[in-house]
Amino acid sequence: AQSVTQPDIHITVSEGASLELRCNYSYGATPYLFWYVQSPGQGLQLLLKYFSGDTLVQGIKGFEAEFKRSQSSFNLRKPSVHWSDAAEYFCAVLPYGQNFVFGPGTRLSVLP
Amino acid sequence: EPEVTQTPSHQVTQMGQEVILRCVPISNHLYFYWYRQILGQKVEFLVSFYNNEISEKSEIFDDQFSVERPDGSNFTLKIRSTKLEDSAMYFCASSNSQETQYFGPGTRLLVL
Repeated sequence: AQSVTQPDIHITVSEGASLELRCNYSYGATPYLFWYVQSPGQGLQLLLKYFSGDTLVQGIKGFEAEFKRSQSSFNLRKPSVHWSDAAEYFCAVLPYGQNFVFGPGTRLSVLP
Repeated sequence: EPEVTQTPSHQVTQMGQEVILRCVPISNHLYFYWYRQILGQKVEFLVSFYNNEISEKSEIFDDQFSVERPDGSNFTLKIRSTKLEDSAMYFCASSNSQETQYFGPGTRLLVL
């Protein structure tokens, strides 16, 4: 079945530590791939996107994501997390000819 | 930087009442969308709108829902007779292609 999964419901990291949030998709053809962040009580902010080309994409706020076709993954990374990064992170895909499908989200907590 | 805006930020209504959620998409965008996020759940697609008509809708978007672009700037979602299960955060999004969508801050709807 076509789906977007984010295996980690909740992740806690210490401030300054590195971060990786996982996203896997299950579609026949590679969809467009996105990461959005939702701070408490706020809307969805686009962090980065992948359509084609270089498989390592840079986004805002120091985030990057790597597309791996062989693993059907699009994991989000940040080398050093800041307390303000605490939020909910959503992976989303846009399959060809369809609408956005969001993953269930990963909640990130940051310890001081 | 242009952004999508939504009003009101919060709305409380009685079951059975009609509500209208308002959105002002980014001015040069042509595609408009509504999504909802029930508390603690993932973001779900409701409807897309292009060229003054619905281009696609999900099974959630039943006869109780309607959308309209009453003038050149606003995009509204109407729920005719609200139910308890309509309580959610409703996000409007817009895009100038069928790719990257930019989201508003959301309207939190509480149906009592």
